[in-house]
Amino acid sequence: KQEVTQIPAALSVPEGENLVLNCSFTDSAIYNLQWFRQDPGKGLTSLLLIQSSQREQTSGRLNASLDKSSGRSTLYIAASQPGDSATYLCAVRNYGGSQGNLIFGKGTKLSVKP
Amino acid sequence: DVKVTQSSRYLVKRTGEKVFLECVQDMDHENMFWYRQDPGLGLRLIYFSYDVKMKEKGDIPEGYSVSREKKERFSLILESASTNQTSMYLCASSLYQGASNQPQHFGDGTRLSIL
Repeated sequence: KQEVTQIPAALSVPEGENLVLNCSFTDSAIYNLQWFRQDPGKGLTSLLLIQSSQREQTSGRLNASLDKSSGRSTLYIAASQPGDSATYLCAVRNYGGSQGNLIFGKGTKLSVKP
Repeated sequence: DVKVTQSSRYLVKRTGEKVFLECVQDMDHENMFWYRQDPGLGLRLIYFSYDVKMKEKGDIPEGYSVSREKKERFSLILESASTNQTSMYLCASSLYQGASNQPQHFGDGTRLSIL
């Protein structure tokens, strides 16, 4: 059974720092991996999606990498800002099994201090 | 932009009531999903649907049912609400399974309290 782990559960950094969020998964047979952002009391906003054949995806200050063989993904945030404070979730979509559903990690709560 | 709309942001109901949560998407997506999110447990899939009138159970379907009469609308039904169903409920949609590079898009969530 696929398990997705995100470490650390919480992270606090000063504004301007570059930071890396980690995601690991136990079964490498995935279609894709998706990173989301969730603000308190809100739904999820899709940030980046990496297909299993890709190594990385970039959007603005965000860069996500995927190493499928080792079961790891990282989300790199450059020049962090207080507005980046949120919970970041990664999720994988497996081959086979239920159609299209995602398996989520429990998230990393990021706090960027001014 | 994809828009997934959940009918209520906050909802308070009583134990034993039948509760309906509604979700509508405007992008003609085949797949729609209902998750619940609880502290320490993360997001868990309740039910999903890959076409009109088609549904499959997720990881925690007990105490819930769903309805998908039209492609754009997916309803979650709590048959007889209980206090352990107090949670944040999130709806999502995506293009069909074959398009493996299509992301899921989420609504803003419904925070449901059962008293």
